[in-house]
Amino acid sequence: KAGVTQTPRYLIKTRGQQVTLSCSPISGHRSVSWYQQTPGQGLQFLFEYFSETQRNKGNFPGRFSGRQFSNSRSEMNVSTLELGDSALYLCASSWTGGVYEQYFGPGTRLTVT
Amino acid sequence: SQQGEEDPQALSIQEGENATMNCSYKTSINNLQWYRQNSGRGLVHLILIRSNEREKHSGRLRVTLDTSKKSSSLLITASRAADTASYFCATDEGGTSYGKLTFGQGTILTVHP
Repeated sequence: KAGVTQTPRYLIKTRGQQVTLSCSPISGHRSVSWYQQTPGQGLQFLFEYFSETQRNKGNFPGRFSGRQFSNSRSEMNVSTLELGDSALYLCASSWTGGVYEQYFGPGTRLTVT
Repeated sequence: SQQGEEDPQALSIQEGENATMNCSYKTSINNLQWYRQNSGRGLVHLILIRSNEREKHSGRLRVTLDTSKKSSSLLITASRAADTASYFCATDEGGTSYGKLTFGQGTILTVHP
């Protein structure tokens, strides 16, 4: 069974630009969660989608948004990029987003200059 | 915010020795999961222990959970150089906390050949 895939793997953007990251979950998984990992703040939860609906959201500004498609693939978007948005962005999929393990993708390394 | 506090922050051992990492958390949980991360890559799921379980084994891994003390420990027996990585505990609070795992700061484990 194929794992969680994320594209692109690396991205360099300039302040003020916007970026879209993509995540394809494990086949059959309907929940996709997104996390931001930085050396200073560690791993922080961004949001979770299940059946195209956002069910949970972390404490991030509105510049961070996401969506999920009918095939469970998910995208997250960051608008008006700031230097502090430089991070490893990880998505994880699970059956339902609650009781079960989350399986993580390799991440997208975003650098904002 | 980080719920989990991991101890120690860094651990250096020789191959063949056992490694023990501890995790404390603050709120009631549905389950607790341990993950491994190699050099800023994606997280690999190691083991999940539910709140009504006290101990769980998987290969060379042993996890304990003490909900009265809000703490967990991960024991890796007969460690190998390939076990060198960062280890994170993550809690799932259940309820409406859909798809959200709250991570500790992690323990950096170095196993010397």
